Amino acid sequence: DAGVIQSPRHEVTEMGQEVTLRCKPISGHNSLFWYRQTMMRGLELLIYFNNNVPIDDSGMPEDRFSAKMPNASFSTLKIQPSEPRDSAVYFCASSYRVEKLFFGSGTQLSVL
Amino acid sequence: LAKTTQPISMDSYEGQEVNITCSHNNIATNDYITWYQQFPSQGPRFIIQGYKTKVTNEVASLFIPADRKSSTLSLPRVSLSDTAVYYCLVADDKLIFGTGTRLQVFP
Repeated sequence: DAGVIQSPRHEVTEMGQEVTLRCKPISGHNSLFWYRQTMMRGLELLIYFNNNVPIDDSGMPEDRFSAKMPNASFSTLKIQPSEPRDSAVYFCASSYRVEKLFFGSGTQLSVL
Repeated sequence: LAKTTQPISMDSYEGQEVNITCSHNNIATNDYITWYQQFPSQGPRFIIQGYKTKVTNEVASLFIPADRKSSTLSLPRVSLSDTAVYYCLVADDKLIFGTGTRLQVFP
């Protein structure tokens, strides 16, 4: 299995632009998580899905952030419009048991 | 609010055993305890999980006392490649990572 696949690995954009991060979970996993990591705030859970349904999005910082999971093999995290304070590493993780997560390599986002 | 408390950092030397303790006073009856390892520029990686007593795998051991209010991750004979951040998590329906313990292994 290729593991959790995230794209792009790096994204540099300008303030105000729309950013879309993509995630392909491990086949057979029924839960998907989006995390954000910064030096100041550590790893923050943004949202998680179970069987493609958003269960808890209380970690989504603002309405500028949205996430979708149209099917079991794909999820997106969108930021529109992006701001410099959104700069971080965004991780996607999937699991078949809630306690055991498999993380992707992350997307390093820089908003100038 | 993080449900776990662990030391911010620890230092060790190659070949030594390292024990990282995590406090989780409000652990629920059904909660498992899970440890992850994170290297720079990578996502966290599952190391070990347990419910009570002792669990051992090829990477580490996990010791959990009877009251389950704490747990200790034990890394035998660490090497430089064990330098990483180690996170303790108590499972519930959403997984909150605390600040983790930054382990630095010196030659």
